Amino acid sequence: DAGVIQSPRHEVTEMGQEVTLRCKPISGHNSLFWYRQTMMRGLELLIYFNNNVPIDDSGMPEDRFSAKMPNASFSTLKIQPSEPRDSAVYFCASRSNTDTQYFGPGTRLTVL
Amino acid sequence: AQSVTQLDSHVSVSEGTPVLLRCNYSSSYSPSLFWYVQHPNKGLQLLLKYTSAATLVKGINGFEAEFKKSETSFHLTKPSAHMSDAAEYFCVVGKSSEKLVFGKGTKLTVNP
Repeated sequence: DAGVIQSPRHEVTEMGQEVTLRCKPISGHNSLFWYRQTMMRGLELLIYFNNNVPIDDSGMPEDRFSAKMPNASFSTLKIQPSEPRDSAVYFCASRSNTDTQYFGPGTRLTVL
Repeated sequence: AQSVTQLDSHVSVSEGTPVLLRCNYSSSYSPSLFWYVQHPNKGLQLLLKYTSAATLVKGINGFEAEFKKSETSFHLTKPSAHMSDAAEYFCVVGKSSEKLVFGKGTKLTVNP
């Protein structure tokens, strides 16, 4: 299995631009998680889906952030408009019916 | 409610000496507990997992952890540190029906 796939691996954009991060979970996994990691705040859960349905989005910072999961094999996290304080590493993770989450390699986002 | 506390933000050891990374948890029920490792500029990788079977759990790369309910601890150990063990380690508590709760991480430095 290829594991969780994220794209792009690195993204540099200017303040005010729209940013879209993509995630392909492990085939057969029915839960998907988006995390953000910064030096100041550590690892934060933004949102998670079960069977493509958003279950808990209480970690989404504000309305500029949105996430979708149109099918079992694809999810996006969108930031519009982006701000410098959104600079972070964004991780996607997926899980089957066990407890174990498997993480992707992350997307390093820099907003100038 | 669940929580996890990693007692040391930084641990420094010499190569070939034992490693001890400490973790205490709080949970209203019997939890699942995990240790993840993150090497620089990489995603999180599962080291080991406890799910109410054997209290001593063996993981990858020679690491193991012991679940002690009376002490609400799940410390991570390795008999002999290797330079490649230098990374950040996260203690995590959770159940498949809930989101995972991550500790703030312990950065392990291995000196030659």
